[in-house]
Amino acid sequence: EVQLVESGGGLVQPGGSLRLSCAASGFIFSDHYMDWVRQAPGKGLEWVGRIRNKGNSYTTEYVESVKGRFTISRDDSKNSLYLQMNSLKTEDTAVYFCVRSSPNAFDIWGQGTMVTVSS
Amino acid sequence: AIRMTQSPSSFSASTGDRVTITCRASQGISNYLAWYQQKPGKAPKLLIYVASTLQSGVPSRFSGSGSGTDFTLTISYLQSEDFATYYCQQYSTYPRTFGQGTKVEIK
Repeated sequence: EVQLVESGGGLVQPGGSLRLSCAASGFIFSDHYMDWVRQAPGKGLEWVGRIRNKGNSYTTEYVESVKGRFTISRDDSKNSLYLQMNSLKTEDTAVYFCVRSSPNAFDIWGQGTMVTVSS
Repeated sequence: AIRMTQSPSSFSASTGDRVTITCRASQGISNYLAWYQQKPGKAPKLLIYVASTLQSGVPSRFSGSGSGTDFTLTISYLQSEDFATYYCQQYSTYPRTFGQGTKVEIK
């Protein structure tokens, strides 16, 4: 079964850091670009960023609001995707979804992990 | 960033109705558009990509059309399981952007 499972969410204070993980299974993870998408409580979907595959040098893209604060990485040997979030703000509070791109539409989604930034 | 605007933001419909949701891009995106369905507490599900191609396993009552800046998602015969929120998304340029969502409620 093709599956993405996120972990690492929780409560963090403003200015703090958190690292989300996403475990992939059921497909050749290393072939795919992978993205993060978030959804604030009661709000719509917001794309956070992307990491390309090895063939495209693992290059990344980010939405402007997280540039310099968030870093996407991957470990193809572990079929895992990561989102390192630093200098967190209250407006980063959201459910974070790990998403597979195939090749550009998002065809597989994880169940999401909740990140709450609050003092 | 390309702005995606959906209309309406919400509406009520009955099972068996034919419903259409529109999505307008602030600039041309060719056919680089996807539609997703999201139910409460669940992850979104891909319905349609490249504006009109049905994702595997999605019922044929869903269809998409459009190119450039104007797109539509049509549900030909609304079923009970179709009551949900629908989002369009462009993947022509970065940052990828979504519409604000259209909530389809039971009348």
